[in-house]
Amino acid sequence: AQSVSQHNHHVILSEAASLELGCNYSYGGTVNLFWYVQYPGQHLQLLLKYFSGDPLVKGIKGFEAEFIKSKFSFNLRKPSVQWSDTAEYFCAVSSSGTYKYIFGTGTRLKVLA
Amino acid sequence: DAGVIQSPRHEVTEMGQEVTLRCKPISGHDYLFWYRQTMMRGLELLIYFNNNVPIDDSGMPEDRFSAKMPNASFSTLKIQPSEPRDSAVYFCASRGQPQETQYFGPGTRLLVL
Repeated sequence: AQSVSQHNHHVILSEAASLELGCNYSYGGTVNLFWYVQYPGQHLQLLLKYFSGDPLVKGIKGFEAEFIKSKFSFNLRKPSVQWSDTAEYFCAVSSSGTYKYIFGTGTRLKVLA
Repeated sequence: DAGVIQSPRHEVTEMGQEVTLRCKPISGHDYLFWYRQTMMRGLELLIYFNNNVPIDDSGMPEDRFSAKMPNASFSTLKIQPSEPRDSAVYFCASRGQPQETQYFGPGTRLLVL
């Protein structure tokens, strides 16, 4: 069965620090990959997505993610975080041609001003 | 576009009562998903519809839960009778062709006393 692992459950950073959140999935076929962000009390918003092509994907708010097929990973990065990035981040995977997402358990990021 | 609309945004009810959650997907989207989010279990897919037809309800926790989509612009998730362990945030999401991106509504925060 497909699964998604986000190993960092809680991350605390100071403003301007660099961020990398890990996401690994288990599935042998072609996948579509997503990162969503959930600000406190709000709904999930799409940060970025990968379907095919350039494995380095740029999203909104300065976030990017790199798909490394050999490692089954899709890590999220941001070179310099801001206090407003405090939120929960979810990685999701769907196998191409299906419509179900499998979500990771999420990573809570707290950025200290 | 108004995005995915959910109502009510908050619901407080007593154990044993019937609860109905509502969702209006983005116009033109042909897939609709219901999720439940709890601290313990994260984001779980409950059921999804394609062109108003339920495709996969394997995530529905038990017979107390039911979902309908009578037309392309409206869906309901009903819990009868409700129990305290049903307390969670329930999200609705929709997606359209050809992109495989799901767009989430603001959620309904349900508290069953």
